[in-house]
Amino acid sequence: AQSVTQLDSQVPVFEEAPVELRCNYSSSVSVYLFWYVQYPNQGLQLLLKYLSGSTLVKGINGFEAEFNKSQTSFHLRKPSVHISDTAEYFCAVSERNNNDMRFGAGTRLTVKP
Amino acid sequence: EPEVTQTPSHQVTQMGQEVILRCVPISNHLYFYWYRQILGQKVEFLVSFYNNEISEKSEIFDDQFSVERPDGSNFTLKIRSTKLEDSAMYFCASRSGTGGAPQYFGPGTRLLVL
Repeated sequence: AQSVTQLDSQVPVFEEAPVELRCNYSSSVSVYLFWYVQYPNQGLQLLLKYLSGSTLVKGINGFEAEFNKSQTSFHLRKPSVHISDTAEYFCAVSERNNNDMRFGAGTRLTVKP
Repeated sequence: EPEVTQTPSHQVTQMGQEVILRCVPISNHLYFYWYRQILGQKVEFLVSFYNNEISEKSEIFDDQFSVERPDGSNFTLKIRSTKLEDSAMYFCASRSGTGGAPQYFGPGTRLLVL
């Protein structure tokens, strides 16, 4: 079965600085990969997804992620963060031969002025 | 844009009582899910549902839990006899099919068991 590890539980960063949120996955088969964002007191919103093709995927709000098969990683990046990016970010993996998704523990991004 | 909706947004109940959490998935979706998030913790998979039956369930989803799709639109999670540790945010999600279709989440129901 698939699993996801988010290496950083909390990432504090100053406004306009770049940020990378790390995600590694484990699976014996090919996978689909996702990043979701959860703003305070809200549900999960899809940021971006990797299905196939180009390993660099762009999402909403200026975020992008790169799929690295050899390192089994799917790190999320943004070149310049805003205060409004403060949220919890979840990486998720779904194996291509089943319909279920597994989430990482989440990374709390805090953007400070 | 179609959304997953959940009712109620908040529910407070006494330990031992039954609760039913309701979800209306996106209308053309075929796969349905329930997740739980205890305050400050990760999102935990509870159960997936397809073609009117459970396709997978986690260790959390014990005999106290059940799911049902009573009609063509609603998808419910029932907790028969709530425990204090059932206090959490419960999220419903749906997806249209396979091939990497993402899951779309509802806003959640915050359940507090006293």
